Amino acid sequence: GIQVEQSPPDLILQEGANSTLRCNFSDSVNNLQWFHQNPWGQLINLFYIPSGTKQNGRLSATAVATERYSLLYISSSQTTDSGVYFCAGGSGGGADGLTFGKGTHLIIQP
Amino acid sequence: DGGITQSPKYLFRKEGQNVTLSCEQNLNHDAMYWYRQDPGQGLRLIYYSQIVNDFQKGDIAEGYSVSREKKESFPLTVTSAQKNPTAFYLCASSKISTSSYNEQFFGPGTRLTVL
Repeated sequence: GIQVEQSPPDLILQEGANSTLRCNFSDSVNNLQWFHQNPWGQLINLFYIPSGTKQNGRLSATAVATERYSLLYISSSQTTDSGVYFCAGGSGGGADGLTFGKGTHLIIQP
Repeated sequence: DGGITQSPKYLFRKEGQNVTLSCEQNLNHDAMYWYRQDPGQGLRLIYYSQIVNDFQKGDIAEGYSVSREKKESFPLTVTSAQKNPTAFYLCASSKISTSSYNEQFFGPGTRLTVL
């Protein structure tokens, strides 16, 4: 099956800083998502991005399908951005489940 | 309100007992999924179902069972055969689209603790 590697595993930044989180896939995926897990465990959908670039406010994501990686950018970080960020991908028909990375634990300090 | 509900939020079980976790969605999604999350780890797929009365094993199906009698419901039973059942369990659902637009949405999860 697909292997998903996320980096860095941990990231500590000051409020206002920018950050880049990376996700590498061992094989092609056609169903790529980024999530933010809040302190209560809820997974919040950030992006569905099989390819290309998407932006939502201070967050943006890029997926390069041919090179099997994706990047999540967070600009002007706020303390509320703290938490764990997961990427996940699926192949085939896309409705057969996602393979998750182990996450990036982001801490934004005031 | 459209969404995915899971119950209970917290569940305690004695060793050797089976327990069933509930997952309901009113998004009219065709596919439903169960994932398990251990501390400091990503999610791992247990079972998924793309249509009523049909389901497939995921990466870690041993010790679990599911049913899909209704489109809206996908309960997960953690059996006594599951060696390390203490974990956070998340249910998800998605449309099934010919354009491969199958974004998954997650419920709030159930924390299971085996005493």
